[in-house]
Formats: sequence, structure tokens, C-alpha cells
Amino acid sequence: KAGVTQTPRYLIKTRGQQVTLSCSPISGHRSVSWYQQTPGQGLQFLFEYFSETQRNKGNFPGRFSGRQFSNSRSEMNVSTLELGDSALYLCASRSLGGDYGYTFGSGTRLTVV
Amino acid sequence: AQSVTQLGSHVSVSEGALVLLRCNYSSSVPPYLFWYVQYPNQGLQLLLKYTTGATLVKGINGFEAEFKKSETSFHLTKPSAHMSDAAEYFCAVTYSGSARQLTFGSGTQLTVLP
Repeated sequence: KAGVTQTPRYLIKTRGQQVTLSCSPISGHRSVSWYQQTPGQGLQFLFEYFSETQRNKGNFPGRFSGRQFSNSRSEMNVSTLELGDSALYLCASRSLGGDYGYTFGSGTRLTVV
Repeated sequence: AQSVTQLGSHVSVSEGALVLLRCNYSSSVPPYLFWYVQYPNQGLQLLLKYTTGATLVKGINGFEAEFKKSETSFHLTKPSAHMSDAAEYFCAVTYSGSARQLTFGSGTQLTVLP
């Protein structure tokens, strides 16, 4: 079956702009999480969505937001971009139940100039 | 709160040698532990995971890890390194709960020397 699909793969934005990233989970996976990866801070949890509801949120400013649609696809939005938002943004999906398997997408590389 | 410590940000081994990547965790509840590998410009690929049951876990590409509760460790090993194993490896922990975010270690870059 198809894996986790993230679009776009690469983005270049200017400071102050906003950006929307998309994630399509594995078919049947209803939970979607987002992570930010930077050389300085490593992998940090942003938020998790299940059934269109945010269940958990990491320690990020309110400029970072997300949502999940009824088909489980998810988007994250970053407003008023800062240079420090340059990162690889990774989406992971999982099925609920005993597997606890998190499958990651290839990520979106965001560069803020 | 939970945390993960990966000892050694860079590890070099010769091709054919044993690979040992260290991971220690801290968790106030029984942990679920994972090892992921990341190749350049790629996402994270799951190597193996421990949730319950057998403490020696076998994963893909010949890797295995052993959950040692007394040592709070989950070290990753492979008997014989291959050039294609060169990548960054991340240990992660979560737990059984309604909101199961992964907490990652800082990663270990593995270099395989010919």
C-alpha cells in the first residue's frame, strides 16, 4: 500500500510569509503527527491529530497550526515565517491499536530566506 | 516525562565489523522503544520496535536491539556492517497513552569505512 505522502518536497519562502504543508497518511491510518527536524534542535514534536481533533501539541508558538480533514489528510500552517523556521518537516501516521507503528513520510524541506 | 540519550553523535566502523549504537531512555511508565534510520534528504524509516513481549527484537537489514529494563537501555547492534548502513540513526521512546508523541534522541551518524 502507498506510504505517507508529503507535498511539496521543497519550499523556499521569504520571511514574513506563510506556508501550508500537506500530508496524506497511509490508507486506514487515522492518526497524523507532525515533527520539525533542525540541526540544532533535532526532532521535535509539533502536534498530533486524530479524527479531525488535535490531541496533543508540542512546545511551539501559535504561529504553528494544523488541521485534519475527514479523510485523515492533514495540513500544517506556519504564519509569519522566521529564518529559524527553516527545517525538515516530517509527517507520521499510525493506526490505533496494538501496533504502535509510526510511519514517516519523506518530509518537506522548508527554507526561509 | 520521558527522554532519550544516544551516546556518541558519530560512530565509525570498518566494513564487516560489529555495529553498536547506544540508547538509554528515561520514562516513568513502561516504554515503547523504536530505532529509526534516516538517509540524506529522506524521512525516517523504522528499523525495529519494542512494545511488549520478547526483549530481543529483530528488525530489518540485519539489525537487532535488546530492551534491558534494569539498565534502561535499548542498544542497536548489527554483527557485520555494510557500506549501505552509513546513515543517521535515531532512538525514540513513547508510552501507552492516549496521546503518544515520540521523543527522539539526538541521533548517531554512522560511518562505514572500506
